[in-house]
Amino acid sequence: NAGVTQTPKFQVLKTGQSMTLQCAQDMNHNSMYWYRQDPGMGLRLIYYSASEGTTDKGEVPNGYNVSRLNKREFSLRLESAAPSQTSVYFCASTDSVGWKLFFGSGTQLSVL
Amino acid sequence: AQKVTQAQTEISVVEKEDVTLDCVYETRDTTYYLFWYKQPPSGELVFLIRRNSFDEQNEISGRYSWNFQKSTSSFNFTITASQVVDSAVYFCALSEILASGTYKYIFGTGTRLKVLA
Repeated sequence: NAGVTQTPKFQVLKTGQSMTLQCAQDMNHNSMYWYRQDPGMGLRLIYYSASEGTTDKGEVPNGYNVSRLNKREFSLRLESAAPSQTSVYFCASTDSVGWKLFFGSGTQLSVL
Repeated sequence: AQKVTQAQTEISVVEKEDVTLDCVYETRDTTYYLFWYKQPPSGELVFLIRRNSFDEQNEISGRYSWNFQKSTSSFNFTITASQVVDSAVYFCALSEILASGTYKYIFGTGTRLKVLA
């Protein structure tokens, strides 16, 4: 059982480049989330999706777009990367009773 | 607004000492859940415990114990006889139920625990 799978694990971008972080879960969860982790800031919610076809903004959505392609997949896109987006990104999912958040292993993104 | 405060940024203890990590939360909901997650140096986020707002019983799991007090809006985590392997960043989190029926999770800024041999 793979749980939540994120790709890539590491990425280096130049300012202005675009990229998509991929996330997939195999637990049949309805809700999926994208967080970013920065030193001293904890985990901050970027976007979340309550179900297939729906997405909502979290605390820090500026500069990002998301797509809930189907129940399994929830991608995060940076259209024009900025150095301020250098961070570790975590995808997570939970079931209908919110028992706990299952996290992916994270993506370390550097924007130069 | 929901908020989780972990005032301790970093704590250092010597192995075998007991240590308590503090967590204070704010919420207007009557039903909510509280969590602790551990992030070891390898970077993954490991679930430790969930507590619901109706259950104020303290919980003990091996060397770990949690003290939930609604009167002070606190959910503190104690490690007894700490070990070097306990060195990690610990996050406290609060979940709220949204109108859509999904859950939104708010995390504190984390406490970095260093256990010295």
